[in-house]
Amino acid sequence: NAGVTQTPKFRILKIGQSMTLQCTQDMNHNYMYWYRQDPGMGLKLIYYSVGAGITDKGEVPNGYNVSRSTTEDFPLRLELAAPSQTSVYFCASSYSRGLYEQYFGPGTRLTVT
Amino acid sequence: KQEVTQIPAALSVPEGENLVLNCSFTDSAIYNLQWFRQDPGKGLTSLLLIQSSQREQTSGRLNASLDKSSGRSTLYIAASQPGDSATYLCAVEPFVKWHDMRFGAGTRLTVKP
Repeated sequence: NAGVTQTPKFRILKIGQSMTLQCTQDMNHNYMYWYRQDPGMGLKLIYYSVGAGITDKGEVPNGYNVSRSTTEDFPLRLELAAPSQTSVYFCASSYSRGLYEQYFGPGTRLTVT
Repeated sequence: KQEVTQIPAALSVPEGENLVLNCSFTDSAIYNLQWFRQDPGKGLTSLLLIQSSQREQTSGRLNASLDKSSGRSTLYIAASQPGDSATYLCAVEPFVKWHDMRFGAGTRLTVKP
């Protein structure tokens, strides 16, 4: 049982490039989330999903896209990378809301130069 | 808009000391509050989740309390150990927009041997 896995761990992008951050969970969780964490700040929600085929925007969705074709996978797509997207990205999952804790992946550290 | 604040930003204590970490939030309409631990370069690990109807939760040497009316939560760590050194974050899940979990910036704890 690996929990939540993310790839890559580190990435450097040039301005204007695109990439996909991968996230997979093996706990059969319905709910999945993408957060970003900037230095000295709390996490901010980018997108979330309550099940395969259902996604919605969080607090800071601009510049990102997601898809959820399976229960296990929730990739995050960055289009036309900008320096403001330099951050650490975390994927998380939970069985449901409310009484259920969120499980986090190890993160992807992204630098856009 | 919910604001979550954690003071102090950093704390250093000698091993064996009991300590309290603070979390305050501005909107008392919350569904739950979670305390997380984050080790350097790693993802978040959920420590305790307190439902809005509860006053406290305990796990081993950790005890978290919640006072919704005053917008405060504390995380008490008994008999601190060097292995407790990490950043501790609190997060609140709102009652209505459940996905809009708000995180504090965290308290970086160092326990000196």
